[in-house]
Amino acid sequence: KQEVTQIPAALSVPEGENLVLNCSFTDSAIYNLQWFRQDPGKGLTSLLLIQSSQREQTSGRLNASLDKSSGRSTLYIAASQPGDSATYLCAVTGGNQFYFGTGTSLTVIP
Amino acid sequence: NAGVTQTPKFRVLKTGQSMTLLCAQDMNHEYMYWYRQDPGMGLRLIHYSVGEGTTAKGEVPDGYNVSRLKKQNFLLGLESAAPSQTSVYFCASSYPKPQGAQPQHFGDGTRLSIL
Repeated sequence: KQEVTQIPAALSVPEGENLVLNCSFTDSAIYNLQWFRQDPGKGLTSLLLIQSSQREQTSGRLNASLDKSSGRSTLYIAASQPGDSATYLCAVTGGNQFYFGTGTSLTVIP
Repeated sequence: NAGVTQTPKFRVLKTGQSMTLLCAQDMNHEYMYWYRQDPGMGLRLIHYSVGEGTTAKGEVPDGYNVSRLKKQNFLLGLESAAPSQTSVYFCASSYPKPQGAQPQHFGDGTRLSIL
């Protein structure tokens, strides 16, 4: 069974810092990996999707990388802003199912 | 531009009662999913559907039933609610995967408490 782990569970940084969120998974036979953002009381918003054949994806200040062989992905956020405060989840796809990590709660302090 | 809509948003039930959660999507997606989210456990897949008239079990299907009679709707039923089913329930939808899949779109969730 695929297991997805995100470390740290919580992270607090001052505004303007660059930061990295980590995601690891146990089974490298994945179709893709997706990073989501979840605001309190809300659903999940897709940020970036990396297909299994890709190494990274970029959107604005966000960059996600994927290393299938080592079972790891990172989400890099440049020049963090208070509006980036949220919980960030990663999910890997195997078959028709998505397996989610428990998330990293990010707080950006003004 | 509704996307994925879940009803109701909140509900309190007594143990043993039944209810149905409704998910509707207007993006013509083939795939639909029901998840539950619990503190410290992340999102876990309950049931999913790869098309109208089809359903399949996910990771935690016990105590739940689903139906996909219309492409745009996916219903989650609790026949006899138990306190262990207190959770936040999320519905999601996506296009089918050729190679590489498509991102999932999520509703805002249903907060369900079983007393």
